[in-house]
Amino acid sequence: GESVGLHLPTLSVQEGDNSIINCAYSNSASDYFIWYKQESGKGPQFIIDIRSNMDKRQGQRVTVLLNKTVKHLSLQIAATQPGDSAVYFCADHGTSYGKLTFGQGTILTVHP
Amino acid sequence: EADIYQTPRYLVIGTGKKITLECSQTMGHDKMYWYQQDPGMELHLIHYSYGVNSTEKGDLSSESTVSRIRTEHFPLTLESARPSHTSQYLCASSESHVVGQETQYFGPGTRLLVL
Repeated sequence: GESVGLHLPTLSVQEGDNSIINCAYSNSASDYFIWYKQESGKGPQFIIDIRSNMDKRQGQRVTVLLNKTVKHLSLQIAATQPGDSAVYFCADHGTSYGKLTFGQGTILTVHP
Repeated sequence: EADIYQTPRYLVIGTGKKITLECSQTMGHDKMYWYQQDPGMELHLIHYSYGVNSTEKGDLSSESTVSRIRTEHFPLTLESARPSHTSQYLCASSESHVVGQETQYFGPGTRLLVL
């Protein structure tokens, strides 16, 4: 199909480094946020979520930070591994019932 | 692992053919979605459904149609495929037991190539 969107930004890191992937959202009414990981040839996979009444949530090797003042979301991956190489999307749930708005996505490449 | 399945995984067809992309989920989710994604690009919502007999158009205009006759099944149909339909099609589902916290679970996608 025709490519009507933007090409994704990229982040390259060395194995073992920490990675930080950023995302901006536009809807100030959004109350729920999700990070997805999409490996080549696969569908997006849920990583971690956060509600708007929180500013930080930790999972296994991942931390999501939410700054509602500037409408910014970040995903931190500790001790990045080659298996973390993928495209990472943030998504937010706004006022449309059940619908998510996906961010642009970031291509993470981890070098051994 | 989410129990959501898509067939076929890959499809190469000629222009003008009618095709149906299948999506089924065994989680009992009431909401289902279709997204279109070009390689290395964003996801665009093209159709969604709140439940049986409910279908809505998404944010990106699409020449495809969908139906929702059963909770677990949400097929997408292209009546006459064109090369501009070449893309990856992703199906997702979510449940609404907690309003506003509806994680969508995705299938593996169908890669469509129209010659």
